[in-house]
Amino acid sequence: GENVEQHPSTLSVQEGDSAVIKCTYSDSASNYFPWYKQELGKRPQLIIDIRSNVGEKKDQRIAVTLNKTAKHFSLHITETQPEDSAVYFCAASGSTDKLIFGTGTRLQVFP
Amino acid sequence: KAGVTQTPRYLIKTRGQQVTLSCSPISGHRSVSWYQQTPGQGLQFLFEYFSETQRNKGNFPGRFSGRQFSNSRSEMNVSTLELGDSALYLCASSLAGGDGEKLFFGSGTQLSVL
Repeated sequence: GENVEQHPSTLSVQEGDSAVIKCTYSDSASNYFPWYKQELGKRPQLIIDIRSNVGEKKDQRIAVTLNKTAKHFSLHITETQPEDSAVYFCAASGSTDKLIFGTGTRLQVFP
Repeated sequence: KAGVTQTPRYLIKTRGQQVTLSCSPISGHRSVSWYQQTPGQGLQFLFEYFSETQRNKGNFPGRFSGRQFSNSRSEMNVSTLELGDSALYLCASSLAGGDGEKLFFGSGTQLSVL
């Protein structure tokens, strides 16, 4: 069945360092890969997304890369700040357009 | 524009009871999806409704059901509650639920089953 694996489950970095979260998907028909950020006690919100016809997308300190051959995609956050602390979810569109989410990565940025 | 509204915010029930959760999508959005969020399991897809019809369904038992009304508001029902049903239930709306559409999440209903 459709599956999205996400690693690591927790990630601690020093303020100013970079953070990388990786996801692997199983459905070769997936063509849309969003990332959601959920701050403590709040709703998940879309922070960046990428489609299968693009290999990389950047938005200020956040970038996402996609390797369709290997079925991998990753979130890169540079110059991390304490407000980046949250749970990050990757997702991949399934064969029936529903989004399959990963299990989440808890990122902690220490000042 | 008002966001996605879920009610109630918190619920405490006992095993065997049933519960109904409500979700009002953003005005103009016709697709509503439901997710179960538990620690370590991420967001697990329950089902999606579009134009009052269930269009997609996840791998949950039949105790989990839903419906959508003509104004796009959606309800989710869980019957014969089990301890393992304790979770945050999130709904998300989008314009038409098509591939690549941004999902807007509600704040969720935190369900505790005792």
